[in-house]
Amino acid sequence: NAGVTQTPKFRILKIGQSMTLQCTQDMNHNYMYWYRQDPGMGLKLIYYSVGAGITDKGEVPNGYNVSRSTTEDFPLRLELAAPSQTSVYFCASTTALAEGSYNEQFFGPGTRLTVL
Amino acid sequence: DAKTTQPPSMDCAEGRAANLPCNHSTISGNEYVYWYRQIHSQGPQYIIHGLKNNETNEMASLIITEDRKSSTLILPHATLRDTAVYYCIVRVVGGATNKLIFGTGTLLAVQP
Repeated sequence: NAGVTQTPKFRILKIGQSMTLQCTQDMNHNYMYWYRQDPGMGLKLIYYSVGAGITDKGEVPNGYNVSRSTTEDFPLRLELAAPSQTSVYFCASTTALAEGSYNEQFFGPGTRLTVL
Repeated sequence: DAKTTQPPSMDCAEGRAANLPCNHSTISGNEYVYWYRQIHSQGPQYIIHGLKNNETNEMASLIITEDRKSSTLILPHATLRDTAVYYCIVRVVGGATNKLIFGTGTLLAVQP
């Protein structure tokens, strides 16, 4: 298994440009998440999905959109890039287990985005 | 999910035990304590979790106080590769969203 993969690894955008960060997992997990991490800070949840066709906002959703048309893929869309969106973006996934199981989240390697 | 408090940084000598504390005084009865770590520039990695009993796996041990208001992650023989930010998170298992709420964690620096 490749686990959670993210593309691209690095990207520089100009203010106002758009881009899609890709996330794919091959573990058949139904839960997927997008986080951002600013320098020296913990991860903040942007959006999450509990299954194909179902998405919901996290702590910091403004300026982002997501879709979940398949179990494997959970792309994150930035429509009008702003300098405040300069960050490292992590995608994660987990499976829905019964209470008492540990629901470990598996993280991708991250995408480093700079908006100038 | 309950809030946690961790020291911002700690040092440890290579080969010695690293003891990382976490305060979670408002933890609820159905919330577990999880530990993740993040090695520089990588995605976080699960380490261990527990409810009320002490737990041990190949990576670490987790000691939870009897009142469950605090816990300690123990790396028994720290190596340079254990230098990372360690996050203590409390959450309900098997909830509707399985979300993790990250604080700022503890930066553990293992010194040669």
